[in-house]
Formats: sequence, structure tokens, C-alpha cells
Amino acid sequence: EVQLVESGGGLVQPGGSLRLSCAASGFSFSTSSMNWVRQAPGKGLEWLSYITSTSTTLYYADSVKGRFTVSRDNAKNSLSLQMNDLRDEDTAVYYCARGLEWSDGFFDLWGQGTLVTVSS
Amino acid sequence: EIVLTQSPATLSLSPGERATLSCRASQSVSSYVAWYQQKPGQAPRLLIYEATYRATGIPGRFSGSGSGTDFTLTISSLEPEDFAVYYCQQRFKRQTFGQGTKLEIK
Repeated sequence: EVQLVESGGGLVQPGGSLRLSCAASGFSFSTSSMNWVRQAPGKGLEWLSYITSTSTTLYYADSVKGRFTVSRDNAKNSLSLQMNDLRDEDTAVYYCARGLEWSDGFFDLWGQGTLVTVSS
Repeated sequence: EIVLTQSPATLSLSPGERATLSCRASQSVSSYVAWYQQKPGQAPRLLIYEATYRATGIPGRFSGSGSGTDFTLTISSLEPEDFAVYYCQQRFKRQTFGQGTKLEIK
């Protein structure tokens, strides 16, 4: 089955760190660009980060630049998001999403999301 | 940052009616706009990319149009499963999303 499964969410205090993972299966992960997108409770979607298939190019939204780091392990079909210096406003459901092969920058496969709650 | 403004915020229609959702960009994004559908508790689903192309498996009642700064998603005849929140997204310069249009049953 073609799918993405996120894990690693939970409750963390402000200033803390968390590492999210995304396990891919059923498709050629090693040739796919990947992204992280989040959604605060009751709010819209916010793109966070992009990584090319070979990790040669990384992009971040200004809201997380310098605090979040995206990485991938193609041998393990895995995508990660290291989140440091977490703030209340980082509370959201975090999705990993695959870039559309023929129009990179659009997202054609999404995970179910993992909830991150930043609170003291 | 390119801002996408969707209208209306909420659209109340009945099954069988035609739905027209709008998305306006703060600057030209060429045709680099996508539309997503999101139902409660679910991840978004790609419907339309590059303004007019239906994604794999998307029914023909969904269509997209527009270029430059003004884009439209049309659902020709609403099915019960179409009532959801719809987002537009641009990839012309980084990626940003609109704030969403909630399509609700009248």
C-alpha cells in the first residue's frame, strides 16, 4: 500500500525539542521530494520544509528557519523533522507530504498527521 | 510572501448544485496553483494542480481554471461527499496556502 505514516508527536514544554518521523512505503521514496506541512487546531495549512530526493536542496518557511531541520534516510525510507526551541505557536498537527513528481511543489500523498502540543 | 485569499469563507449549497470557489493571489503565480479538499480528521487530498489538471483518481465534476492572480475551483454537481474545506496553494515562490473555504450543506 502506498502510504506515509508520521510518528513522534506529543506534549513538550516551551523551549523543548522533538523529533518527528515519517515512514514511507509502497512507492519509490528515494526518488521523491518530500515536505512537512502543519495545521494548527482549527486553522489552515502551513508549509514548513522541503527536501529533494538526494537531500541536496533544503528549504524552510521563515517561521521555522533556524529552529527546525529536515533530513531523510533513503535506505530506511524515512523522513525526519528535528524541532528545537519549540513555542506555543508550534502546536499543530504535522503532516509529511510527497512532492508531485511532474510538478514538484504540489503534494500528492499525505500522511495521517501527528499532533505536537507545546505547553507548560 | 505570496498571499492567497479565498472567497467566500463559507459556501452553503445543496447536493446537485454547482459550486464555485475563488482564490486570488497577491501577485502573479502563473498557473502554479493547486486545490486540496480536507474533511474533518483527515489529511488534505490533492484535487487540481497547475490550475487546470485533475490529480489521479479525481472525479470529472471537479475542474479548475485561471492564471495570473485569479483562480477558480468548480464542482459541477455537488455530491454529499463533497462537503468539506477546500484550500488553494501556490508553488510559484515557495509554497503558501489560502485560508480555506468551507463548503457546507444548505
